[in-house]
Amino acid sequence: GNSVTQMEGPVTLSEEAFLTINCTYTATGYPSLFWYVQYPGEGLQLLLKATKADDKGSNKGFEATYRKETTSFHLEKGSVQVSDSAVYFCALLRGETSGSRLTFGEGTQLTVNP
Amino acid sequence: NAGVTQTPKFQVLKTGQSMTLQCAQDMNHEYMSWYRQDPGMGLRLIHYSVGAGITDQGEVPNGYNVSRSTTEDFPLRLLSAAPSQTSVYFCASSYSIVAGGSGYTFGSGTRLTVV
Repeated sequence: GNSVTQMEGPVTLSEEAFLTINCTYTATGYPSLFWYVQYPGEGLQLLLKATKADDKGSNKGFEATYRKETTSFHLEKGSVQVSDSAVYFCALLRGETSGSRLTFGEGTQLTVNP
Repeated sequence: NAGVTQTPKFQVLKTGQSMTLQCAQDMNHEYMSWYRQDPGMGLRLIHYSVGAGITDQGEVPNGYNVSRSTTEDFPLRLLSAAPSQTSVYFCASSYSIVAGGSGYTFGSGTRLTVV
């Protein structure tokens, strides 16, 4: 079946540090890949996506590249801010005949200190 | 504002009580889902619907019922609440089924405690 594995958290960084959150997946065929962000007390928001191999999704300074050869979709940001503190979820979408389903990783808590 | 609206935001139930979590979207999305979020386990799919009148089970459907009488609404029913159902519940909707779809729009969640 489909699955997503994220690096274990929590992750604590200082402001302006480089961020990497690892994500690998298992799926048949060619899923779409997503990163969602959840700020404290809120629902999940789509951060970025990639729909095919070698696509790069980007938004708000975050980037992730769909690597089919390594089945990975690692999230990166060159310089984090305090406002980036949140939980980050990697997810894949595999369309099925009876409906589309998002499969999520466990989530990684990021705390950025001033 | 367009989006997914969940009510209530917070709820405390006693074991054995029943209740309905409401979810409504105004984006004309065909696909709607319910997830529960538990620490260290990410989000797990409870039930989903691909259109009015059509529902199906996800990973963790036991103890929950759903129906989809309109495109807009997708309520989740707990018939006899148990402490194991203490969780944060998210409703999500999506326009497109195909790979490369727009991703899901999530509601802000319902925090449920069963004592």
